[in-house]
Amino acid sequence: AQTVTQSQPEMSVQEAETVTLSCTYDTSESDYYLFWYKQPPSRQMILVIRQEAYKQQNATENRFSVNFQKAAKSFSLKISDSQLGDAAMYFCAYRSADAGGTSYGKLTFGQGTILTVHP
Amino acid sequence: DVKVTQSSRYLVKRTGEKVFLECVQDMDHENMFWYRQDPGLGLRLIYFSYDVKMKEKGDIPEGYSVSREKKERFSLILESASTNQTSMYLCASSSYRRSSGNTIYFGEGSWLTVV
Repeated sequence: AQTVTQSQPEMSVQEAETVTLSCTYDTSESDYYLFWYKQPPSRQMILVIRQEAYKQQNATENRFSVNFQKAAKSFSLKISDSQLGDAAMYFCAYRSADAGGTSYGKLTFGQGTILTVHP
Repeated sequence: DVKVTQSSRYLVKRTGEKVFLECVQDMDHENMFWYRQDPGLGLRLIYFSYDVKMKEKGDIPEGYSVSREKKERFSLILESASTNQTSMYLCASSSYRRSSGNTIYFGEGSWLTVV
């Protein structure tokens, strides 16, 4: 079974600065997807960024980028030029790409990191 | 945009009541999921369905059942609600097709309090 670990329960950053959220995972699979989701106080889960394991290039979405280290099973999220609206709970998640297995489609989540942004 | 709609945002039920949480998605997705979210535990999968009338247990299925009679609708049922089922419940859906990007889309969540 896959596991996802976020070792930072809480992080804080000053507005306009950069912060990195950590995530590690454990799997024996070679083909999978990794995601970062943002959950603001409204509780709506919003996809921030996704990474396909077979792609070596790190994914980027505007101010958000990842550092994907497949061998180390590490998937960190970097938020540049932090804004007040970035304050939220952030979840790292894993999804198998195996279409034939019964685990296909299931997202496994980390425990979450609460990000506070100070003005 | 994909829309996943959960019928109730806030519910208060009594211990022993039968509770239905409804979820509807409008993107013809094959896969649908019910998660439970508790502080310090993240999101845990209760059940998922990969087709009409098909279901698979997740990590914490005890005390829950599900129903998927139509592709767009996935219901979570608490046969006899208990106080330890007080939680936030999130419904989600996705396509199984790799071309869809494998993204899972979430509803807004249902806060259930059992008293």
